[in-house]
Amino acid sequence: AQSVTQLGSHVSVSEGALVLLRCNYSSSVPPYLFWYVQYPNQGLQLLLKYTSAATLVKGINGFEAEFKKSETSFHLTKPSAHMSDAAEYFCAVSAPNTDKLIFGTGTRLQVFP
Amino acid sequence: DTGVSQNPRHKITKRGQNVTFRCDPISEHNRLYWYRQTLGQGPEFLTYFQNEAQLEKSRLLSDRFSAERPKGSFSTLEIQRTEQGDSAMYLCASSSRGTIIEAFFGQGTRLTVV
Repeated sequence: AQSVTQLGSHVSVSEGALVLLRCNYSSSVPPYLFWYVQYPNQGLQLLLKYTSAATLVKGINGFEAEFKKSETSFHLTKPSAHMSDAAEYFCAVSAPNTDKLIFGTGTRLQVFP
Repeated sequence: DTGVSQNPRHKITKRGQNVTFRCDPISEHNRLYWYRQTLGQGPEFLTYFQNEAQLEKSRLLSDRFSAERPKGSFSTLEIQRTEQGDSAMYLCASSSRGTIIEAFFGQGTRLTVV
C-alpha cells in the first residue's frame, strides 16, 4: 500500500523567505511522486513530478523538490516566496504499475508581506 | 484546446435528490479519472476509464454513484439519493498517454447537499 504524509497543515512565511513544505511517502515499490497546487475553488495544477529520473526535480513557478530514498521524503522548496504562492499544496504518490494518485491531506501556505 | 472542462462548477441540491456532473476531457485523451475532495482533505480516487471502459472503481463509489463514458469522450458522474456526506468537490482529470503521470485536472464541481 502507498501513502503520503504531509507534515504541517499550515505553513506561514514572509514574502521573500524560503518555502519548505514537507512530504514523506510510503511505498513498497519505487514510487512516482508529485506536487500539486490548488487555489481556492479551483482544480489541481501540477507543479512537478518525479518519475525515477533525476532526483532533483524543477517545476513551475520556481519550485523544486528532491527525492531522497533514504529518508522516504520529497520535500517541496522555493528560495523566495511571493504573495501569489499562497495556496494549498498537495503531495501525491503513484506506483508505476497502478494508475491512480494517492494524495496527502495538504498544506496551506500563507505568505505575509 | 481549453483543458479539462467540468459542469456545473457549483451545485446545491436537497438531500434525496439526484445530481449529475459532466466532464469533458482534453481532446484525444483516452483516460479519464474522477476524484472526490472533501473539506480539508486531499482528493480521493473514485474511478477511471480507458476510452469507454470503466477499469477500476474505489470502495468509496457506493451503489448510489454511477459513472459513464459512453463514447469514450465526455463522462458523467451521477449521485442518486444524495446525502449530506456527499458534499464535496468532484474533480475530473484526463490523460493522453494512458498513465496518471500525464494527467491534467479540471476545475471541479462543488456539490453542496442541504
